Amino acid sequence: DQQVKQNSPSLSVQEGRISILNCDYTNSMFDYFLWYKKYPAEGPTFLISISSIKDKNEDGRFTVFLNKSAKHLSLHIVPSQPGDSAVYFCAARWPNFGNEKLTFGTGTRLTIIP
Amino acid sequence: NAGVTQTPKFQVLKTGQSMTLQCAQDMNHNSMYWYRQDPGMGLRLIYYSASEGTTDKGEVPNGYNVSRLNKREFSLRLESAAPSQTSVYFCASKTRDRLQNEQFFGPGTRLTVL
Repeated sequence: DQQVKQNSPSLSVQEGRISILNCDYTNSMFDYFLWYKKYPAEGPTFLISISSIKDKNEDGRFTVFLNKSAKHLSLHIVPSQPGDSAVYFCAARWPNFGNEKLTFGTGTRLTIIP
Repeated sequence: NAGVTQTPKFQVLKTGQSMTLQCAQDMNHNSMYWYRQDPGMGLRLIYYSASEGTTDKGEVPNGYNVSRLNKREFSLRLESAAPSQTSVYFCASKTRDRLQNEQFFGPGTRLTVL
């Protein structure tokens, strides 16, 4: 069973507008959530994260929102730029001290239209 | 400081052949991970090593073995390759510090099994 879900395989957004990527999870034990960005032929790179005790974390153009009651998180990118075109993965951490693992979603391909 | 390096970048195998994917990190990280990425499946954990001398199965371990050779190196072996193992393989590493949650990924190995 897929514990972390990204239901939109792809998303197209006009340059300068807001991009909103969504992620749902099923396990309430996850204690940390991360977003990764991946360009073709490269490894994923860390973008932003949020602890389960917070509901918002902001870093420049990127903001992650967490709604624990709905088991939902979203990544907002404002304003969107052509370099943001990539595949975005959300990931959730299982809190096993010293043995933490991440469970990844299936990814959303974001295309920014100039 | 190269981060996480993987060799080879590309490999083509015939069914039944064996090979070892190499991974090394120079960040003095305790934990290392092997993932595979398949279309529509996201990143799935194959094996991980929380510290030197320990290894554990992830979500999809069948058909693979691993060796944590030392703190720097974590190799993934396919003893008898099958077409279902055609995938892109990523190695990642992470510090033991729980305040640092991100995993750092290598550039990947693209494996095709004919």
